[in-house]
Amino acid sequence: DTGVSQDPRHKITKRGQNVTFRCDPISEHNRLYWYRQTLGQGPEFLTYFQNEAQLEKSRLLSDRFSAERPKGSFSTLEIQRTEQGDSAMYLCASSSRDARYFGPGTRLLVL
Amino acid sequence: SQELEQSPQSLIVQEGKNLTINCTSSKTLYGLYWYKQKYGEGLIFLMMLQKGGEEKSHEKITAKLDEKKQQSSLHITASQPSHAGIYLCGADMNAGAQGAQKLVFGQGTRLTINP
Repeated sequence: DTGVSQDPRHKITKRGQNVTFRCDPISEHNRLYWYRQTLGQGPEFLTYFQNEAQLEKSRLLSDRFSAERPKGSFSTLEIQRTEQGDSAMYLCASSSRDARYFGPGTRLLVL
Repeated sequence: SQELEQSPQSLIVQEGKNLTINCTSSKTLYGLYWYKQKYGEGLIFLMMLQKGGEEKSHEKITAKLDEKKQQSSLHITASQPSHAGIYLCGADMNAGAQGAQKLVFGQGTRLTINP
């Protein structure tokens, strides 16, 4: 299967800890997106990369959040000093001209 | 208020019945995507519509984008238990390079199929 993959699938952490998530997009896709989804809601845009360049960041992405895509392939999303409000599903997507494919998500629970 | 409104928010239908889910915006939609999501899982891409009046079908699912590109519908014919899940519409709200924009999503429609 050469779809979008995310790791880990689940993460439980204590408030104040740092967490890092990884996304591996479909290999020929140069665009990569991060979204956050809370229960009962649609995904909300966080940030977008074209190759290694981060082109847009949502106001939802506070200074505790940072995303990188160092070689234009995989991407990481780090949350520093996690808060209970960060508990959500974090989704990664990559796109071609005609479709946008999502990974399985990383479900974060902050205790 | 939501930029994309989905209706209904939830839907329960008898197996074998047809159903329609709607996605509406007050703004022009430059690309409209339909996804299906099982609880706790990622989004499965169904279809993308770009042109006013465009219609696409895959198996028993048909999606349409109206001529004004402000409303889309997803129609399922002869529903089956495998169709159960959450259906989400997402859209490019800004003109620009295709496929390069962030998507804005509706709140989702939860579909239950009763045997």
